[in-house]
Amino acid sequence: KQEVTQIPAALSVPEGENLVLNCSFTDSAIYNLQWFRQDPGKGLTSLLLIQSSQREQTSGRLNASLDKSSGRSTLYIAASQPGDSATYLCAVRGTYNTDKLIFGTGTRLQVFP
Amino acid sequence: GAGVSQSPSNKVTEKGKDVELRCDPISGHTALYWYRQRLGQGLEFLIYFQGNSAPDKSGLPSDRFSAERTGESVSTLTIQRTQQEDSAVYLCASTRGGEEGRYEQYFGPGTRLTVT
Repeated sequence: KQEVTQIPAALSVPEGENLVLNCSFTDSAIYNLQWFRQDPGKGLTSLLLIQSSQREQTSGRLNASLDKSSGRSTLYIAASQPGDSATYLCAVRGTYNTDKLIFGTGTRLQVFP
Repeated sequence: GAGVSQSPSNKVTEKGKDVELRCDPISGHTALYWYRQRLGQGLEFLIYFQGNSAPDKSGLPSDRFSAERTGESVSTLTIQRTQQEDSAVYLCASTRGGEEGRYEQYFGPGTRLTVT
């Protein structure tokens, strides 16, 4: 059974720092991995999608890497800003369970001025 | 609209009542998903629809939960005889589907259900 873990559970940093959020999964047989952002009381916003054949994806100050063989992904946030404060979720889409996403419990990020 | 929409945004109901939650997917998206997020917890998969195929109901927690979708349009999630443990945010997502899950899922804002 696929399990997804995110470390750390919470993170509080001053503005301007570069951050690394970690996601690990137990079954390396995945189609893709998706990073989301969730703001309090809101739905999920997709940040980056990495296909199983890819190593990384970049969007602005965000960079996500995928090491499928070791069951790991990292989300790198450069030059963090207070507006980055949110919960970050990673989710994997498996080859056995086909289309549903298996989510981690998230990293709650606070960036203070 | 451009995104996934859900209604109502908030629902407070008494224990034992039935509720219906609605999801409008992005136009042209063939796949639709329902997830549940309890307070302080991760998202749990509930049910998945792909076109006219039989839905994957493997995540529904009990027979009090059911969902319908007509073609590639609106879906409703029904919870009968609600219990307090059903209190959660119910999230709907849609995707283009096909090609072995290559496409990203787009989520609606969710319905916050509170059972008193």
